[in-house]
Amino acid sequence: GQQVMQIPQYQHVQEGEDFTTYCNSSTTLSNIQWYKQRPGGHPVFLIQLVKSGEVKKQKRLTFQFGEAKKNSSLHITATQTTDVGTYFCAGWNTGNQFYFGTGTSLTVIP
Amino acid sequence: DAGITQSPRHKVTETGTPVTLRCHQTENHRYMYWYRQDPGHGLRLIHYSYGVKDTDKGEVSDGYSVSRSKTEDFLLTLESATSSQTSVYFCAISERQGKQFFGPGTRLTVL
Repeated sequence: GQQVMQIPQYQHVQEGEDFTTYCNSSTTLSNIQWYKQRPGGHPVFLIQLVKSGEVKKQKRLTFQFGEAKKNSSLHITATQTTDVGTYFCAGWNTGNQFYFGTGTSLTVIP
Repeated sequence: DAGITQSPRHKVTETGTPVTLRCHQTENHRYMYWYRQDPGHGLRLIHYSYGVKDTDKGEVSDGYSVSRSKTEDFLLTLESATSSQTSVYFCAISERQGKQFFGPGTRLTVL
């Protein structure tokens, strides 16, 4: 069945280092969304990408959607302690099913 | 934050009892979703609704039913709760198949 995997599962970085999480779907997605969840909180929407090869930036965050619309990445430049949390990708497939990725938990060491 | 509430926020129940969780929105969004979140499994979609009385199954729908008789309310029912349904349940809403807003979550414990 459909799977949306993210790597790495956990990442510890020193404050100021960069961070990247990768998202891979077993099937083509019509869009890809990214969410952040702080410990004890609920997921919060970050961004949506729709077009093949699309790249979007939000300050220190860069999001990419792969050419085949089956993978995506989130890159954070110069991490800060406020970036701590779990980052999830998610998307709708062509069968109108919605899946969340397995998530990457980011720890930033001051 | 979007106007979305969940009730109850915490519930402890016994195996075999029925449980209903309620999601209420004030945003008039068309789509509503129920997820469960468990350690090691991330967020998994249980059911979603794309309009009043229009629902579809998600990835982990077995043991759960839903109803949406009004735009603002989406109910999740566990007909006979089992210990494997102990989880944190999140409701979410969206206007279309895009940005989702999440509720605060309901922590359910089945003993």
